[in-house]
Amino acid sequence: EPEVTQTPSHQVTQMGQEVILRCVPISNHLYFYWYRQILGQKVEFLVSFYNNEISEKSEIFDDQFSVERPDGSNFTLKIRSTKLEDSAMYFCASRGGQGAIYGYTFGSGTRLTVV
Amino acid sequence: EDQVTQSPEALRLQEGESSSLNCSYTVSGLRGLFWYRQDPGKGPEFLFTLYSAGEEKEKERLKATLTKKESFLHITAPKPEDSATYLCAVHHRSSNTGKLIFGQGTTLQVKP
Repeated sequence: EPEVTQTPSHQVTQMGQEVILRCVPISNHLYFYWYRQILGQKVEFLVSFYNNEISEKSEIFDDQFSVERPDGSNFTLKIRSTKLEDSAMYFCASRGGQGAIYGYTFGSGTRLTVV
Repeated sequence: EDQVTQSPEALRLQEGESSSLNCSYTVSGLRGLFWYRQDPGKGPEFLFTLYSAGEEKEKERLKATLTKKESFLHITAPKPEDSATYLCAVHHRSSNTGKLIFGQGTTLQVKP
């Protein structure tokens, strides 16, 4: 069964450092997403990406965040200057189409710890 | 404001003891309601999609139903391996990009 692959599984970084979280979505999927889950809280939407541009972003997704699909297979989330409150599990998801019948497949996540 | 609320927050069952999890939603035009299973430290694993009131779907010991205001996930004769957090999420018409709004989840523990 096709999978969404995320690397690394766990990243520890110093406050103020830049981090890049990587995702390989399912190959024929067209829509890509990042979500995050702070420990003990809801899964929250960050950003959606389609046709090589951001299609929607949440209030959380400020100027410190950026996304890229540099080579047609990888999908990355960059946090420029990490803060303690960025510590969370970050999930990548992809979807084959826009219609309601298209399901979302999530990766296993990257646990980001900012110290 | 669009909201998704799940109850209970936690549920402990004995093996074989059937029960139901609830997901109530207030969104502006439902496009789809999704149930996911999440194991500790893992990503959400897809279970069901429901699109319209009255719809039901089943998979092994799980059955999901949908009304205009809520969805239920019925677990029949659960086993310890059903222990996980069950997440409900909705896709609503005001989002053209497929953004999902999640509930906080129900953590199920099934004891042998």
